Amino acid sequence: AQSVTQLGSHVSVSEGALVLLRCNYSSSVPPYLFWYVQYPNQGLQLLLKYTSAATLVKGINGFEAEFKKSETSFHLTKPSAHMSDAAEYFCAVSDRGSARQLTFGSGTQLTVLP
Amino acid sequence: DVKVTQSSRYLVKRTGEKVFLECVQDMDHENMFWYRQDPGLGLRLIYFSYDVKMKEKGDIPEGYSVSREKKERFSLILESASTNQTSMYLCASSSQGLNTGELFFGEGSRLTVL
Repeated sequence: AQSVTQLGSHVSVSEGALVLLRCNYSSSVPPYLFWYVQYPNQGLQLLLKYTSAATLVKGINGFEAEFKKSETSFHLTKPSAHMSDAAEYFCAVSDRGSARQLTFGSGTQLTVLP
Repeated sequence: DVKVTQSSRYLVKRTGEKVFLECVQDMDHENMFWYRQDPGLGLRLIYFSYDVKMKEKGDIPEGYSVSREKKERFSLILESASTNQTSMYLCASSSQGLNTGELFFGEGSRLTVL
């Protein structure tokens, strides 16, 4: 069985500060890992994904995430937060054998303070 | 522009009513999904379909049914709505051939059951 844990349901950063959103996973097989973002009153959209190529994955809007197998982590970072980054972020894992389904974390609400 | 369209953004229903949530995608995707989103719980899979007239239960199918008569349309049905089904419902689709977990989401349907 696969699972995802997002540490911190709410994270606040100042505009221009580093964004770090934490995600740890468990999976019985090498996983596919994803970060999705949900802006207010919208559906989710894919931010980035890891599918066993490079361990450092770059996504849209300046976000990136690093797959660390030894730590079973896939943390999301952005060097400098912008007001427009305020949203809810979801980490998700998919076992390669059943890629039709994703298991989502509980989400982290990012607030960017002026 | 590719789209997943959910027919109703906001619905208010009474306990015991039958509720239909409709979802249409224009990407010719084989897979379609219904998720439920609740604060602190992330997204939970209700049902998914990988082909016309085919369906599989997700993690929380109780109290729900689905219908997929055409490839582009996937309907979620609440036979007798209850207050604990008050939630945000998200429809998503994905391609079979490129199924590495990238889902395309609709904007959501927020259902309130009184």
